Amino acid sequence: QKEVEQNSGPLSVPEGAIASLNCTYSDRGSQSFFWYRQYSGKSPELIMSIYSNGDKEDGRFTAQLNKASQYVSLLIRDSQPSDSATYLCAVSRNTGFQKLVFGTGTRLLVSP
Amino acid sequence: DTAVSQTPKYLVTQMGNDKSIKCEQNLGHDTMYWYKQDSKKFLKIMFSYNNKELIINETVPNRFSPKSPDKAHLNLHINSLELGDSAVYFCASTGTVNTGELFFGEGSRLTVL
Repeated sequence: QKEVEQNSGPLSVPEGAIASLNCTYSDRGSQSFFWYRQYSGKSPELIMSIYSNGDKEDGRFTAQLNKASQYVSLLIRDSQPSDSATYLCAVSRNTGFQKLVFGTGTRLLVSP
Repeated sequence: DTAVSQTPKYLVTQMGNDKSIKCEQNLGHDTMYWYKQDSKKFLKIMFSYNNKELIINETVPNRFSPKSPDKAHLNLHINSLELGDSAVYFCASTGTVNTGELFFGEGSRLTVL
């Protein structure tokens, strides 16, 4: 079992729709959870972080965390073609120095 | 102006050769990393240095040797290159422990023929 699992996609949504990206993790000791966006041929960039159960909203993005179910999700409202990218889920145990474990990413395609 | 810069961006070489990738960050960060991203986009941590000290060393073949001459630089030397080493190697840095925000370089695409 992989430490962080994501559906590779592609997830296709029409412009203006809500895109829902999911991630599960195996390490119950994980304390910090992140979503990175990676455009094709580019480097990953952090878009959301979440540390406690519940929802965290930032603009069109909402991260959701359920530690009991070991589940993290990212909702993108009013999806735009510019949101088309691979979204990487990452988790950390927060023990000592930061060690992020990444999932393989979900490719999102937003069609005009 | 580039925060985390890597050289070279592209590297094509033959099996058995030795190559190096260099990384420099001008963010004043204390911690730097090497990540490997394979063809399936899986981003896996290889090494991490904090103030020139090795703090994370994943199960990486000892053909890979990182070196940090100072906290702004982290290099990766690879001996006896193999086909499976073909990947994009990302350097990253972070300034504050436990924030999870890694600043990545543009990546170095290594192709071993």
